Amino acid sequence: QVQLVQSGSELEMPGASVKVSCKASGYDFTYYGLNWVRQAPGQGLEWMGWINTKTGNPTYAQGFTGRFVFSLDTSVSTAYLQIPTLKADDTAVYYCARLRSGWFYDYWGQGTLVTVSS
Amino acid sequence: QSALTQPPSVSGSPGQSVTISCTGTSSDVGTYNRVSWYQQPPGTAPRLMIYEVTNRPSGVPDRFSGSKSGNTASLTISGLQAEDEADYYCGSYTTSNTLIFGGGTKLTVL
Repeated sequence: QVQLVQSGSELEMPGASVKVSCKASGYDFTYYGLNWVRQAPGQGLEWMGWINTKTGNPTYAQGFTGRFVFSLDTSVSTAYLQIPTLKADDTAVYYCARLRSGWFYDYWGQGTLVTVSS
Repeated sequence: QSALTQPPSVSGSPGQSVTISCTGTSSDVGTYNRVSWYQQPPGTAPRLMIYEVTNRPSGVPDRFSGSKSGNTASLTISGLQAEDEADYYCGSYTTSNTLIFGGGTKLTVL
């Protein structure tokens, strides 16, 4: 069965870096794009962008360019979200989700809570 | 680009029907039939309930239905059950080749 399994919660200090992983199983990893979605505490879903798992080409939403990095390791069917130089307002749950051609998400990871605090 | 507009909250009694609206623009909801709806109970990941305006994935009860008119999409839940209590989000593809979500609607089953 299709699964997206994310790495565990992270507690980091401001200025540190974090790398969240999203491991896919149960389907051909390079057949569907992988999206990242942020949900700040008590807030709604925010589209961060997506990565083409066939080419490795990332697309970032407005507000997420420059400081967020999407990457892949297709040998282990895993996508990564890296946030260098963390700020307090990066505190959120980050989800990966599988993109279908109609621009909807049929499978989601369980979410990774990143807490930035001194 | 601003989020799609959803009512912050709706409520209904068990057995009743509720409708959640999702208003966008001609740059998103009004142009494409690529509107989806997600259910998110507290502390859990979102779950796909409706895709491409009207389609239900397998496993989603037929009490959930979707529609669209102009720049507004709607999710209707009939025969409300206690387990339907959750936050609901719409999402739409846009003319900028991006996706935009609604602000979310909290459904309370009275």
